[in-house]
Amino acid sequence: AQSVTQLGSHVSVSEGALVLLRCNYSSSVPPYLFWYVQYPNQGLQLLLKYTSAATLVKGINGFEAEFKKSETSFHLTKPSAHMSDAAEYFCAVSPIEENTGNQFYFGTGTSLTVIP
Amino acid sequence: EAGVVQSPRYKIIEKKQPVAFWCNPISGHNTLYWYLQNLGQGPELLIRYENEEAVDDSQLPKDRFSAERLKGVDSTLKIQPAELGDSAVYLCASSLGRTSQETQYFGPGTRLLVL
Repeated sequence: AQSVTQLGSHVSVSEGALVLLRCNYSSSVPPYLFWYVQYPNQGLQLLLKYTSAATLVKGINGFEAEFKKSETSFHLTKPSAHMSDAAEYFCAVSPIEENTGNQFYFGTGTSLTVIP
Repeated sequence: EAGVVQSPRYKIIEKKQPVAFWCNPISGHNTLYWYLQNLGQGPELLIRYENEEAVDDSQLPKDRFSAERLKGVDSTLKIQPAELGDSAVYLCASSLGRTSQETQYFGPGTRLLVL
């Protein structure tokens, strides 16, 4: 079974500091990986996704993530936090196995607080 | 292009009452999903449709939950009767296809409170 672990349910950073949100997956075959952001009272918005092309993926709003097979990780980073980055972030995996369709498994989320 | 539309945005009902949520996916998207999101948790799939066929409803509590997508476009999720534990956000998402790398686009959700 697929599982996704997001270490740190709450992360606080100062404005302008590095943002690092962690995501690890558990499957023998590396899945497709996604990062979504959710602002209060809104749905999930795609930040970026990894689909077996380049291991360093660039997304919207200055975010990027690096797929590391040896560490089964897909951590999300941003060099300089902005106040508008305060939100809930979800990592999701989609197994590559045939006949599973587009089945997403989400982590429990990380709430990012940006301190002025 | 319009995103995924959901209504209502908020719903407050008393326990044992019925409730229905409506979703209109992005135009042309054949695959539609209903997710349940409890407070402080990630979304969990309830049901997935490919066109009008429910291809994965294994996580749908069928004793009280039902869903339909009659013409392969709009979808309705119903709970009857609602229980206190059903209080959560119900998210609808859609994707163009069914492959594992397809992006799922989410609506704003319906926040349900059962009293």
